[in-house]
Amino acid sequence: NAGVMQNPRHLVRRRGQEARLRCSPMKGHSHVYWYRQLPEEGLKFMVYLQKENIIDESGMPKERFSAEFPKEGPSILRIQQVVRGDSAAYFCASSPNYQETQYFGPGTRLLVL
Amino acid sequence: GQQLNQSPQSMFIQEGEDVSMNCTSSSIFNTWLWYKQDPGEGPVLLIALYKAGELTSNGRLTAQFGITRKDSFLNISASIPSDVGIYFCAGQQGGAQKLVFGQGTRLTINP
Repeated sequence: NAGVMQNPRHLVRRRGQEARLRCSPMKGHSHVYWYRQLPEEGLKFMVYLQKENIIDESGMPKERFSAEFPKEGPSILRIQQVVRGDSAAYFCASSPNYQETQYFGPGTRLLVL
Repeated sequence: GQQLNQSPQSMFIQEGEDVSMNCTSSSIFNTWLWYKQDPGEGPVLLIALYKAGELTSNGRLTAQFGITRKDSFLNISASIPSDVGIYFCAGQQGGAQKLVFGQGTRLTINP
C-alpha cells in the first residue's frame, strides 16, 4: 500500500507567480489535511478536506491560498501571487476516516525567489 | 493560536544513553501523538495516546499521556545512531481533527 504522495518535492517560484502543490492520499483514505512548516518550527495546520468538501479551514490565510479535493484526482493546495514569506515545507496527511491516525507525505519544499 | 511547549529544544547525547523529552499545554488535549521527522521527509508516527494516564511502549520508546490531559512525555532507552532526528509532540482537542504540534526536539547522538 503506497503511502501519501506529494509532488513536486521541490518547487521554486518567483514572487508573484502561482504555486500548485499536489497530494495523493493513501489508498482508501478520503480525509486530507495540509500543514505548513517554517524552518526550525513545528507544523501548523492549514486546512482539512473530505472529498469535495472543506471541513475546517481555520488555519488558511485569508487571501491567496485555496485548497480543493475533487471527487477524482489529488488534493491541490494553490498559492496565488507568492511572496517570500510563503517559502516553507508544505505537508499533506491523510486518514481513512474521521478521528483516525493521520499519515504524512514527504512534503513539498517551496522556495520563493 | 494554540501551541504546545516542547522541551528541550535540542539534546546532544552519547550513544547508549537514555533520552527524555516532554510536551506541555495550558489547555486539555484528548489525544497525544509523538512523531519523528528525518531531514527532507515528513513526520512518521511513533506512538499514539488516547486516554489520560495511558503508558504505551513501542520497542525502545515509551510515552505517557499525563493525568491532567495537559502534558505528555517520550522516553527513548539505549539510544542508537538511527534515533537522530527531530521529535515532535502533537495533540488533538475535542472533536477537532487538526493536529497542534510542538516546536520539536532535535536529537543528536555522538557515537
